[in-house]
Amino acid sequence: KQEVTQIPAALSVPEGENLVLNCSFTDSAIYNLQWFRQDPGKGLTSLLLIQSSQREQTSGRLNASLDKSSGRSTLYIAASQPGDSATYLCAVNSGNTPLVFGKGTRLSVIA
Amino acid sequence: GAGVSQTPSNKVTEKGKYVELRCDPISGHTALYWYRQSLGQGPEFLIYFQGTGAADDSGLPNDRFFAVRPEGSVSTLKIQRTERGDSAVYLCASSNGGADTQYFGPGTRLTVL
Repeated sequence: KQEVTQIPAALSVPEGENLVLNCSFTDSAIYNLQWFRQDPGKGLTSLLLIQSSQREQTSGRLNASLDKSSGRSTLYIAASQPGDSATYLCAVNSGNTPLVFGKGTRLSVIA
Repeated sequence: GAGVSQTPSNKVTEKGKYVELRCDPISGHTALYWYRQSLGQGPEFLIYFQGTGAADDSGLPNDRFFAVRPEGSVSTLKIQRTERGDSAVYLCASSNGGADTQYFGPGTRLTVL
C-alpha cells in the first residue's frame, strides 16, 4: 500500500528566505507526483506535476524535483513571500487510481 | 464550466440525519473522484467514477456512504444516518482519466452536531 510522508509538518520562515519541503513515498511504481497548495478553508490548487520520466518541473519561484528510485520529491520555494503561507500537499498517482496524499506541510512566511 | 464546483459549501446537520453533497466536474471530464479531508490530514480517497460507473469504491468507510453519477457528469455523495465522525471537508476532483491531472473543487465542509 502506497504511503506518502511529508516533512516537516510545519515550518515558519522570515520573508525572503529560500526553503525546501520534503515528500517521500514507499512504492516507486508511480506515474506522476503532484504538489498542491491549500489555503485555510479552501480547496486544492495544483502547483506542479512531475511525470515519472521527469526529474524536475519549474513554475516561477517554485521548483519541484523527483527521484523516483529513492521515493523522494522536494519542493523548493525561492525568495519566500507572506502570500506563500499555506499548506503544501504532495500526492502520488500510480496510474488509473486515486491520488495518495501526504498530511501536508503548513508554511508560515513572516513579514 | 470553468472549474469543478461543489454545493453546498457548508452543511451543518444533526446526528442521524441524511445529507447529499453535489459535485459538478469540468465539462468533458470522464473521471470523477471523491475525497474526504479531516482536520490536519491530507485528503483520503472515497470513490472514483469512470463515466457513469464506480470504478473503485474501496475508500467508502461503510455502507452509510453511497455515491452516484447517473449521466456521467454531476455526482452526488450521499451519507445516511450521519455520525459526528463524518464531520470533515468533502472534496471532489475531475480529470480526463488515467494519470491525467486531477482538478479539485473548493470542497463541502460537513459538520455533524
